[in-house]
Amino acid sequence: EDKVVQSPLSLVVHEGDTVTLNCSYEVTNFRSLLWYKQEKKAPTFLFMLTSSGIEKKSGRLSSILDKKELFSILNITATQTGDSAVYLCAVGGGGADGLTFGKGTHLIIQP
Amino acid sequence: GAVVSQHPSRVICKSGTSVKIECRSLDFQATTMFWYRQFPKQSLMLMATSNEGSKATYEQGVEKDKFLINHASLTLSTLTVTSAHPEDSSFYICSADEHSYGYTFGSGTRLTVV
Repeated sequence: EDKVVQSPLSLVVHEGDTVTLNCSYEVTNFRSLLWYKQEKKAPTFLFMLTSSGIEKKSGRLSSILDKKELFSILNITATQTGDSAVYLCAVGGGGADGLTFGKGTHLIIQP
Repeated sequence: GAVVSQHPSRVICKSGTSVKIECRSLDFQATTMFWYRQFPKQSLMLMATSNEGSKATYEQGVEKDKFLINHASLTLSTLTVTSAHPEDSSFYICSADEHSYGYTFGSGTRLTVV
């Protein structure tokens, strides 16, 4: 059975701090690992990672994938209260395979 | 980028009635679409894979007679919750896989059965 495990499940930090969210996976077919941010509605796409060792960056967010050790991290630097959300990690096998989601990390940024 | 449109965004229905949710890929063709369900404070769980022109594939524990999926064209998949009950109240989200942009999600449908 495919499995995606995220840690921590919840995290409370102060504005300006840097956070690292973790995602490990065990799946039968791997094509990509995706990170999403979910506030009150549908998830918002952040990153899609397919290759090991290549960091993807978008502003204060960055992510990297290690396909040998089967994990990914999502970093957020200089956190802001607007970063408060649930961050979801998902792994997809491509084609006819849907995504397997982790339980998410509930991140709270305190002013 | 790839856009998936989902309607309605919110629906309240009476117990025993049926509700149809539509998912459209706006600027690409999707031979496969996915339906997820998310209960409060839980993650998304894949319910079924919708295949254009053929039967949907359901995940274990999902009743195919209760959650009817139709994928009649390359841009439209529908999920019908039949004889809805309060325990079916949830957030339903569709997704399509567009190779350039990966998996794109619709905006979700919050179903409340009263």
